[in-house]
Amino acid sequence: AAGVIQSPRHLIKEKRETATLKCYPIPRHDTVYWYQQGPGQDPQFLISFYEKMQSDKGSIPDRFSAQQFSDYHSELNMSSLELGDSALYFCASSFGRGYEQYFGPGTRLTVT
Amino acid sequence: LAKTTQPVSMDSYEGQEVNITCSHNNIATNDYITWYQQFPSQGPRFIIQGYKTKVTNEVASLFIPADRKSSTLSLPRVSLSDTAVYYCLADNAGNMLTFGGGTRLMVKP
Repeated sequence: AAGVIQSPRHLIKEKRETATLKCYPIPRHDTVYWYQQGPGQDPQFLISFYEKMQSDKGSIPDRFSAQQFSDYHSELNMSSLELGDSALYFCASSFGRGYEQYFGPGTRLTVT
Repeated sequence: LAKTTQPVSMDSYEGQEVNITCSHNNIATNDYITWYQQFPSQGPRFIIQGYKTKVTNEVASLFIPADRKSSTLSLPRVSLSDTAVYYCLADNAGNMLTFGGGTRLMVKP
């Protein structure tokens, strides 16, 4: 069965650079979620989109922005990167809000 | 959003049944209890969800007493591959999941 696809899987950036993470949800899933998991920490919810509109917002820094496109894929844009942004970034998708979330393999971002 | 409390870690042996209890004293009427499993460097994976009484699927059972202030995830006959972190969540089904303080299960041969 098709799963959530995230790209790139690994990304190395320097401080103050920008990064764009992409997420392709499971076909027919209309809701996308972004989570950040720092080393040794629990996943933290960042933001979600339902039918291309932002639906919930968590602890997402102002330096980050995200959107969901007409084909339901989503992109997380991160600017002015800081060392503390180094983490695993997971995207999840679901069919509608309030349903089981399927997580992707994650993008490991390293900021040097 | 109900705060959940679960053991930090648990050890077990292959073939044993493992029960992980989660406390959620201030669970709201419209909250569901959901358990996720996470392997190192992988995204969390949904295991099971319930509202009350007992729910069973092909991988686990979830027991929820009538007062819903706690729940127990039961994993029958664990194997080495069940070594992972298990998260208990008590909130509105889906939407923004709040992960906090999972249980690190170590299964030994």
